[in-house]
Order: sequence, then structure tokens, then C-alpha cells
Amino acid sequence: DTEVTQTPKHLVMGMTNKKSLKCEQHMGHRAMYWYKQKAKKPPELMFVYSYEKLSINESVPSRFSPECPNSSLLNLHLHALQPEDSALYLCASSQDPRYVSGYEQYFGPGTRLTVT
Amino acid sequence: EDQVTQSPEALRLQEGESSSLNCSYTVSGLRGLFWYRQDPGKGPEFLFTLYSAGEEKEKERLKATLTKKESFLHITAPKPEDSATYLCAVQGNTNAGKSTFGDGTTLTVKP
Repeated sequence: DTEVTQTPKHLVMGMTNKKSLKCEQHMGHRAMYWYKQKAKKPPELMFVYSYEKLSINESVPSRFSPECPNSSLLNLHLHALQPEDSALYLCASSQDPRYVSGYEQYFGPGTRLTVT
Repeated sequence: EDQVTQSPEALRLQEGESSSLNCSYTVSGLRGLFWYRQDPGKGPEFLFTLYSAGEEKEKERLKATLTKKESFLHITAPKPEDSATYLCAVQGNTNAGKSTFGDGTTLTVKP
């Protein structure tokens, strides 16, 4: 099973709202990722968790706050977003970042976020 | 800094017309080169990992090859369902955990 699930599929929020995106995988993967993707652009890395610890933060604004409660779950908390934050938010996981073969990533279907 | 350039940006083929997509890369110590397929509005789907020059991998109508400077994704006798954006990414030694993606090639296969 190579499935990564994400909820919700769609989210519309105002600039003063607080919402959360959720991601789950049951493949035993030890690295999890958040990406932001704009139309006709490649995924843009936001955060990487390795063994439930934040290992990469690509200078993402503080209105995005990641959380990794356990090895299977990844959340992205959203607060005071701007209209330019509207995008497809993708979660991904990979086996074990200590090994070369552990870098191939399995993506979820994404959450389409619209900020009004 | 790792860099990935994909060409062409867009490719239109007739069903059955074979062709190749190119991924040129510069990376400090290649740990892996990855090909993904992405359908509109969906997450990328993993296709292949290549680790060293000379390596080849196949899946149905797709074959990926790797040299020291580039990778090719060969599509043999494509079908309309092969229409998608194909993304190439590299993982180098200096940015552990971070893959660098190319901008992708959007393939359209007409029946």
C-alpha cells in the first residue's frame, strides 16, 4: 500500500481564520514533507520531518505552522493567511532518509486551499 | 546549488508516436534521480528512481535512462492516458532530505 491521505480535499478560508490540514500514511515511512504547488509550477518544499523532528524549514512564513504528532501523522496549521497563499498543498512521505533508497517520495492527493 | 532543467516544456504527440523527454541536471554528488507523473489537480505519482549512470528502468510504455548529466524518459507507442505532466527531481549529497524539482514537461497524446 503506497497511499498517503490528506484532508480536507478543498478548503476555503478567510484571512482571519485558523484551520489545519491533515496528512496520514501507514507505510512505516520515517520522513514526511509539506509542499506548496501553484498552477503550472513544480512542488515547492516547505517543511521536512525526519523521525518526527523538523529537519528542514524552507524559510516559510510563521503563519504556516507544521506539527508531527507521531510517525504516521503530519499537520499544517494555518493562521492569518494571505490570498497569495492559495495553492495546492501536498503532503509526501519517504522511507528512511538515512539511506539513498529512502528519498523517493509518495505524495497524497493534496488539499486545494483558497484564501479569500 | 542543485539544478534541474526539463525539456521540452510541452510535447504533443499522436497516439503511437514514440518520443523522449529530457532532464538535465547539475548536482553535488547524485544520490538519486526521480521521475514522477502528475495529473491535473492531483499529487505526483512516483515512477522511477535512478542511482548511477548507465542505469535503466522500465514500466509499461515508459523507460528511464541516466547519464552523468541527464536523464531521458522514453515513451513508446503512447496512449491518450499517458497525457500528464512528467516531473524530474534530483537528490544530492549537500541537501539531505530536499529534492530539487524541474519545471516539468506536459505531455498531450491525441487519439
